[in-house]
Amino acid sequence: AQRVTQPEKLLSVFKGAPVELKCNYSYSGSPELFWYVQYSRQRLQLLLRHISRESIKGFTADLNKGETSFHLKKPFAQEEDSAMYYCALSGLSGGYNKLIFGAGTRLAVHP
Amino acid sequence: EAGVAQSPRYKIIEKRQSVAFWCNPISGHATLYWYQQILGQGPKLLIQFQNNGVVDDSQLPKDRFSAERLKGVDSTLKIQPAKLEDSAVYLCASNGNSYNEQFFGPGTRLTVL
Repeated sequence: AQRVTQPEKLLSVFKGAPVELKCNYSYSGSPELFWYVQYSRQRLQLLLRHISRESIKGFTADLNKGETSFHLKKPFAQEEDSAMYYCALSGLSGGYNKLIFGAGTRLAVHP
Repeated sequence: EAGVAQSPRYKIIEKRQSVAFWCNPISGHATLYWYQQILGQGPKLLIQFQNNGVVDDSQLPKDRFSAERLKGVDSTLKIQPAKLEDSAVYLCASNGNSYNEQFFGPGTRLTVL
């Protein structure tokens, strides 16, 4: 079964501390993984995708197929990073891609 | 470019009533999605359209939910009759490229009393 697990509902850190938001997935093929973010009173939006292998707003995520993980990391958290983060997996269904989301982790960065 | 538009933004109804939501995707986007997001959970795909055809409605409760996308542009999602457990945010998203990035609307928050 295709599934995305985000074990932490809330991650609370102080400004300047490192951040790691955990994501594990279950998928039988070659997955495409994403992180979406929702800031307060804003729409859900794409933060980054694993195939791009880029850093967005200081965040990076590496796909580890052996551990079936796609953790989101940032070395120094900022207050503006406070938001809801969703890990998502894209898998084929009927020949078309569909996104499967995790339950989300709320990141709270305190001054 | 203009984003995905949804209306209404909020709706409160009583159980057994009917409700409809509207979505206007980004111009030119062929793929349109409706998600249900219950409080504390991630978005769950209800139905996916490619132009005006349904490609995935496996998680749509078809006894009470229906959706259409006439002319391959706007879409409506209807619930008839509503149940208490339908209280959720209903998100519409669209996609128009090969990179699989979905663009989301602001959502409609439905409360069923």
